Amino acid sequence: EAEVAQSPRYKITEKSQAVAFWCDPISGHATLYWYRQILGQGPELLVQFQDESVVDDSQLPKDRFSAERLKGVDSTLKIQPAELGDSAMYLCASSPREISNEQFFGPGTRLTVL
Amino acid sequence: AQSVSQHNHHVILSEAASLELGCNYSYGGTVNLFWYVQYPGQHLQLLLKYFSGDPLVKGIKGFEAEFIKSKFSFNLRKPSVQWSDTAEYFCAVNHRSNDYKLSFGAGTTVTVRA
Repeated sequence: EAEVAQSPRYKITEKSQAVAFWCDPISGHATLYWYRQILGQGPELLVQFQDESVVDDSQLPKDRFSAERLKGVDSTLKIQPAELGDSAMYLCASSPREISNEQFFGPGTRLTVL
Repeated sequence: AQSVSQHNHHVILSEAASLELGCNYSYGGTVNLFWYVQYPGQHLQLLLKYFSGDPLVKGIKGFEAEFIKSKFSFNLRKPSVQWSDTAEYFCAVNHRSNDYKLSFGAGTTVTVRA
């Protein structure tokens, strides 16, 4: 069964360092999402791609976060510099079409900023 | 902005007990409704979804949910839980006017005691 892949699964970093997370969506899925899930809360959308284009990054803190999906397949989310408040689970999801009737989630990357 | 409320933060049950988790949303138009589950150490996966039609929706693993439009509710139920139902459960909503972006509730942790 096809799955969304994410790496690394866990990342510990010190504040002010740069971190990057990678996501490989299910093959053929045009829409890719990055979510942040703070402990005790539900996932919140950071950025949505349709193919290689960003369709929504209104909740992405653009002063320190960036996301790209250069060839419309896999994607990278970067934080530079990391802050203590960035400690969270970062989830990637994909959907076969823009209307997210169902999103398929990856295992997430647990980020701890010290 | 729409919001999703899950009434219980943590529910503890014994095996064979019945489970009901509450979910209310604030948006007044036509919505799509979802319940996702996250088992310990695993990624988010879809339990069930409602788009239209019969308001009583059956999902995987014996779960069902009932959409009550007048109450803006989409409660999740299972008549008899098993130890393996221990997980975190998230209600989510999307609709056409926000480009079908998923809004999640804060989640309910369910612990089933053997």
